[in-house]
Order: sequence, then structure tokens, then C-alpha cells
Amino acid sequence: DAGVTQSPTHLIKTRGQQVTLRCSPISGHKSVSWYQQVLGQGPQFIFQYYEKEERGRGNFPDRFSARQFPNYSSELNVNALLLGDSALYLCASAPDGSNQPQHFGDGTRLSIL
Amino acid sequence: DQQVKQNSPSLSVQEGRISILNCDYTNSMFDYFLWYKKYPAEGPTFLISISSIKDKNEDGRFTVFLNKSAKHLSLHIVPSQPGDSAVYFCAASEDKLIFGTGTRLQVFP
Repeated sequence: DAGVTQSPTHLIKTRGQQVTLRCSPISGHKSVSWYQQVLGQGPQFIFQYYEKEERGRGNFPDRFSARQFPNYSSELNVNALLLGDSALYLCASAPDGSNQPQHFGDGTRLSIL
Repeated sequence: DQQVKQNSPSLSVQEGRISILNCDYTNSMFDYFLWYKKYPAEGPTFLISISSIKDKNEDGRFTVFLNKSAKHLSLHIVPSQPGDSAVYFCAASEDKLIFGTGTRLQVFP
């Protein structure tokens, strides 16, 4: 069975640009969460979606937005990129939104020049 | 304000011995705790979890202990193997996962 898949694996952007990251959850999983991991830190929660509805949002500016599609895949959008947005962006899926292990993809490495 | 803390950035253990990784938290509302392992260039891999109604959960070589009064959990790996060398993250859940900063475990022959 395929795990969580994320695309692209690497991305280079310049300040002020916009980026869209994509995630396909494990088959049957309806919950998708997004995390940002900067070097030397643990993943930091950005968003959780369940059944296409936003269930939670972390402490990130409005430049960050996300959505979940009817097939449960998800996109994370970041506008007006800043140098500090350089990080590994991780997507995780779970069967539903309750206390269950989340399973992570390998992430998208975003570099801002 | 860091709600989940892993105070040891690194740990070195000989193969075959026990590895003990520690994690402290501040929020008494956390009701579910997890440990993840991360290799370079890969996403975190789920290892083991524990509900706040339990104090121990075991899965093969991995055991997680939860001390709610001390707001402390630990992961024991016995026996440690070189393939266990990775960064280990603890995470706590109220309605979202909050991660610690990780502990790099190195298991040497």
C-alpha cells in the first residue's frame, strides 16, 4: 500500500513568490495535517483538515492557507514568501481526526532565495 | 512557550544495551502521546503511542512509560541496534500534535 505522498520533493522560490504543495493521504484516511519543520526543531502544526473541513490551525500568518479535496488529497498554499519560510513541509494523514497515529510523507523541502 | 520538551539533544548507546529517551510536557490536557523516529531525508515514522489512561505500552523492543504526575514520558529501546540510530521525536496531542525538538540517538557497535 502506498504511504503518504507529497510533491514536489524539492522547490526553490524567491521572496514574494507564491507556492503550492500537494499531498495524497494513505488510502482510506480522511484526515490530513500539515507541519513545518525548520532545522534543529520538531515539526510545527500548521493545519488539520477532516472531511474537507478545517479542524485546526496553528500559529501561522494568513499567508498560509490550505484545502482538502473530495478525494481527501490536500494542498498547502503560501503567499508572499519570506526567507523564513524555508523549511521542510510535512503532510500527515490519519483515518479520522481522533487520537490516532498520524503517518507522515517524506516532505517537500522549500528553499527561499 | 514550549509545551513539549526533549532536554537531551543527543544520546550515544552501545549496541545491545538499553536506550532511554526522555520527554517532559507542561499541558495537563494532553491525552495522547506518541514517539516518532526520523531518518535523514525521510518523514517521521510512527513508533509507539500511549493514551493518558495508561502508564505503559509495549511493542516488541519499544516500551513507552507515562508518568502523569510528573508530566514525563520515556521511550525504552531494548536491545538497541545500529539501525535504531536516528532522531527521535516525542509528540503530545490535545487536538493537534505538538512535537519536542528531538533527540539524536547513535547506537555504536
